[in-house]
Amino acid sequence: QVQVVESGGGVVQPGGSLRLSCAASGFTFSIYGMHWVRQAPGKGLEWVAFIRYDGNNKYYADSVKGRFTISRDDSKNTLYLQMNSLRVEDTAVYYCAKDPTLGGDGYNWFDYWGQGTLVTVSS
Amino acid sequence: DIVMTQSPDSLAVSLGERATINCKSSQSVLYISNNKNYLAWYQQKPGQPPKLLVYWASTRESGVPDRFSGSGSGTDFTLTISSLQAEDVAIYYCQQYYGTPTFGQGTKLEIK
Repeated sequence: QVQVVESGGGVVQPGGSLRLSCAASGFTFSIYGMHWVRQAPGKGLEWVAFIRYDGNNKYYADSVKGRFTISRDDSKNTLYLQMNSLRVEDTAVYYCAKDPTLGGDGYNWFDYWGQGTLVTVSS
Repeated sequence: DIVMTQSPDSLAVSLGERATINCKSSQSVLYISNNKNYLAWYQQKPGQPPKLLVYWASTRESGVPDRFSGSGSGTDFTLTISSLQAEDVAIYYCQQYYGTPTFGQGTKLEIK
């Protein structure tokens, strides 16, 4: 069955960096785009970033553009999110989510979600 | 970005009764060339990730009970639960994917 498992969350000071990972299994990772979506404590959902199946197209929310970088390693079936210059407002549970369409462009719903990893930015 | 607004923010319905959640987009999410509405619905229970219920505004995801149905077109959409069950207590979100994905603020559904 399809499974995505996030890791790498933790507590970091403002201005610090963190790298999240998402291990995928149960599907052919290399032919699907992948997303990161976040949820601040007690708040709603915010899409963060998308990477196309071939890694050639990446899109970011304005709130993280220039600070976050999405990447993938198909040999390890793993998605990453490098987060730099972290701010208090980046505090959230970060979910990895699968794009439903073969070779999709990211303008899609999200068909499988991980359990999330909590990132806390605090001094 | 397309802004999604849900109503109401919270809703209490008796077991076995109908629950209706509305979602309005700031611009049409109907793509004329394929006549599809780029709108999805999710259910999120406490401590869990969101679960996909509906996409293309009215296509139910595999395994989702048929008491859940989506409707609407253009800018106005509805998620209906025909006969509320105890396990349906959750927060429900709509999401558009016509542009950069954005979500509604969520509707909290409780038992009356």
